[in-house]
Amino acid sequence: TQLLEQSPQFLSIQEGENLTVYCNSSSVFSSLQWYRQEPGEGPVLLVTVVTGGEVKKLKRLTFQFGDARKDSSLHITAAQPGDTGLYLCAGRGSGAGSYQLTFGKGTKLSVIP
Amino acid sequence: ETGVTQTPRHLVMGMTNKKSLKCEQHLGHNAMYWYKQSAKKPLELMFVYSLEERVENNSVPSRFSPECPNSSHLFLHLHTLQPEDSALYLCASSQGEGSPLHFGNGTRLTVT
Repeated sequence: TQLLEQSPQFLSIQEGENLTVYCNSSSVFSSLQWYRQEPGEGPVLLVTVVTGGEVKKLKRLTFQFGDARKDSSLHITAAQPGDTGLYLCAGRGSGAGSYQLTFGKGTKLSVIP
Repeated sequence: ETGVTQTPRHLVMGMTNKKSLKCEQHLGHNAMYWYKQSAKKPLELMFVYSLEERVENNSVPSRFSPECPNSSHLFLHLHTLQPEDSALYLCASSQGEGSPLHFGNGTRLTVT
């Protein structure tokens, strides 16, 4: 069974601070996705990373896929209240059915104005 | 018009009731999914349909019964549920296998 561990579970920071959240596994994934879910809504895709060591930037968000494709990180620079939400990582196994995604439990971020 | 629409947004039902959740996607995707989101647990994949055929069924109890009449509509029929089935039920669609998911806003189900 593939598992994705996300840390921290909860994070409360002041506006303008930087933060990093982590997504770790002992399994190799063919790709990894990050989603953000706001209260009362469904998750929304932020990015997909595919290549080991890949770095993608989305405005103030920087995503990195580990060299061994077992882990990923999300770094937010100068956090804004609009960044508040539940951040979910999801990995697609290299050997499993392509419809299967393994989700982490998420990191709940609160950015205080 | 949002890409994936779920109704109702909230549902309270007794353990002996029968109800259905509805999902409609306007993205032209050919795969649709039901996920269960419970507190302190990862999202759990329940069912996947591709081109109206069920391709995944992750050991879900028979009190949950999916139906996919066409590539744009997906239902989840519920009967004799248990209180532990209370959760947020999310519908999603994708272009195909391996493609990112587009989620609806979910149905918050409470079983009393």
